Amino acid sequence: EDKVVQSPLSLVVHEGDTVTLNCSYEVTNFRSLLWYKQEKKAPTFLFMLTSSGIEKKSGRLSSILDKKELFSILNITATQTGDSAVYLCAVEGDTGNQFYFGTGTSLTVIP
Amino acid sequence: SQTIHQWPATLVQPVGSPLSLECTVEGTSNPNLYWYRQAAGRGLQLLFYSVGIGQISSEVPQNLSASRPQDRQFILSSKKLLLSDSGFYLCAWSVFLGTQYFGPGTRLLVL
Repeated sequence: EDKVVQSPLSLVVHEGDTVTLNCSYEVTNFRSLLWYKQEKKAPTFLFMLTSSGIEKKSGRLSSILDKKELFSILNITATQTGDSAVYLCAVEGDTGNQFYFGTGTSLTVIP
Repeated sequence: SQTIHQWPATLVQPVGSPLSLECTVEGTSNPNLYWYRQAAGRGLQLLFYSVGIGQISSEVPQNLSASRPQDRQFILSSKKLLLSDSGFYLCAWSVFLGTQYFGPGTRLLVL
């Protein structure tokens, strides 16, 4: 059965800390891995990863994929209170029409 | 640019009543369309996806149904709501092998 597992489930840090969020997957015919940020509304797209070892970067956020070990990490440096959200990992597999989501990591950044 | 609309934003319905949630996409043709449900504190559960008009794939057997009467319109329905149908319903679109983008969501509370 295809699945996506995220860890930790929940995380509380102080502003300025660096955090690493993990996503491991077992999905048939992997095509891509996506990271989303969800505040109190719909998820917003962060990164799409298709190749191993190539880091995607956007400001203080970065992500990398390891297709051999079947996982990805999302790094956030110098965290701010606005980074507080649930971070979702999704893997696109099979026919290219299906996306499998993890349960998310809830990040809280306190001042 | 592409946009995705969902309505209503919030809905409170009694148990046993019917449901109709609508999703429309603008700025793209022949998108893949998806309905997800997110229960409180949980990940995204794929309910239905559609690769074209009249083509619906169901991921989870339940009392919900979906229809795609037009290329950029996706409707989620129920004849009789259950308490367990409460949740945050998200519509999403993608093109083949592309990133998935979410609509603003509908919060449904069944009482």
